[in-house]
Amino acid sequence: NAGVTQTPKFRVLKTGQSMTLLCAQDMNHEYMYWYRQDPGMGLRLIHYSVGEGTTAKGEVPDGYNVSRLKKQNFLLGLESAAPSQTSVYFCASSQRLDWDPRSTDTQYFGPGTRLTVL
Amino acid sequence: AQKVTQAQTEISVVEKEDVTLDCVYETRDTTYYLFWYKQPPSGELVFLIRRNSFDEQNEISGRYSWNFQKSTSSFNFTITASQVVDSAVYFCALSDSETSGSRLTFGEGTQLTVNP
Repeated sequence: NAGVTQTPKFRVLKTGQSMTLLCAQDMNHEYMYWYRQDPGMGLRLIHYSVGEGTTAKGEVPDGYNVSRLKKQNFLLGLESAAPSQTSVYFCASSQRLDWDPRSTDTQYFGPGTRLTVL
Repeated sequence: AQKVTQAQTEISVVEKEDVTLDCVYETRDTTYYLFWYKQPPSGELVFLIRRNSFDEQNEISGRYSWNFQKSTSSFNFTITASQVVDSAVYFCALSDSETSGSRLTFGEGTQLTVNP
């Protein structure tokens, strides 16, 4: 199993350009997430999905869009990149949580994408 | 709303010292999960432990141990006989049943440096 993979690993954009980050997981997880990590601020949730065809906003959704057309893929789009979006982006996935203490809902993370917007 | 506080921004120790990383959480829910993740200098996030609110037993895994105390809303992490390879940023995180999609709320992280 590859686990959670992210493409690309690094990217430099100019202000106003667009791009899409791809996240793929091969663990058949229901839930997928996109986080951004900025110095001194931990990880903040951008968008998440609880299943194929569904998406929802997280803590910092502005400037980003997402799509989950296939269960194994979760795409993060930047329509018009801004310098404030310079960050490290992490994708994660987890199994559905039944709120049973015996269930496994641990989020597993991809290796991250380092994005710089000039 | 849920919140996780890691008051120690940076800790520096000498190899073989014991070190404790503090984590204090806030939630109104009675059913929740707590996590610790490690982020080494290479940047990936490595899952260390998951604990549910019904299980207050402390856990030990090799040199790592975790102390969960609901009375003080704390989930502290201790590394015994620290090693240089333990140098990393450590994140505590919370997920509760009021939060749809099992979303995690992360603390800001503690940068641990273990010097030889």
